[in-house]
Amino acid sequence: NAGVTQTPKFQVLKTGQSMTLQCAQDMNHEYMSWYRQDPGMGLRLIHYSVGAGITDQGEVPNGYNVSRSTTEDFPLRLLSAAPSQTSVYFCASSYVQTNTEAFFGQGTRLTVV
Amino acid sequence: AQSVTQLDSHVSVSEGTPVLLRCNYSSSYSPSLFWYVQHPNKGLQLLLKYTSAATLVKGINGFEAEFKKSETSFHLTKPSAHMSDAAEYFCVVQGAQKLVFGQGTRLTINP
Repeated sequence: NAGVTQTPKFQVLKTGQSMTLQCAQDMNHEYMSWYRQDPGMGLRLIHYSVGAGITDQGEVPNGYNVSRSTTEDFPLRLLSAAPSQTSVYFCASSYVQTNTEAFFGQGTRLTVV
Repeated sequence: AQSVTQLDSHVSVSEGTPVLLRCNYSSSYSPSLFWYVQHPNKGLQLLLKYTSAATLVKGINGFEAEFKKSETSFHLTKPSAHMSDAAEYFCVVQGAQKLVFGQGTRLTINP
């Protein structure tokens, strides 16, 4: 069972560079989301999607873009990286219904210098 | 809007002693509540969830949590700590199409 797969696990970027964090799930979940984790702040929602072709902003969307062309994939794009985007990023997926378990990837540790 | 507050950023206990991680929530309707655990350099794993079927919820690895509506609390407990319980724990409430996380409690187990 692959579950939720994130790549890469580690990345160092220079300020102004762009990159895409990949996320794929094989559980046919409708709902996918991206969070960033910073010390003492828990996980904060960046963007989410309730199905292919549908995305919406979360709590901290600035500087990030997403798209959802298939049920399985939900990439997160940083168009022009900034040091403030240094963080650990988690992708998660679940069924849309309430009170269902969310499954998380292993995380991507991103450093912007 | 839904929110959660974890009352302790760090809890330290000795192996074999009880664990208590405190969580208060705010919700405008009957909440869906979860506890997740994150071991070092790992993703998050579900410990337990409140389904409204019972106020005392049992989870994996001997953890349980009690939902108290009058106190708006959902504290996590374990009778006897094990070294492998050292991790970060998150209390989570489900909002409209999103999960809202508490700030996290780091649990340290002393030998």
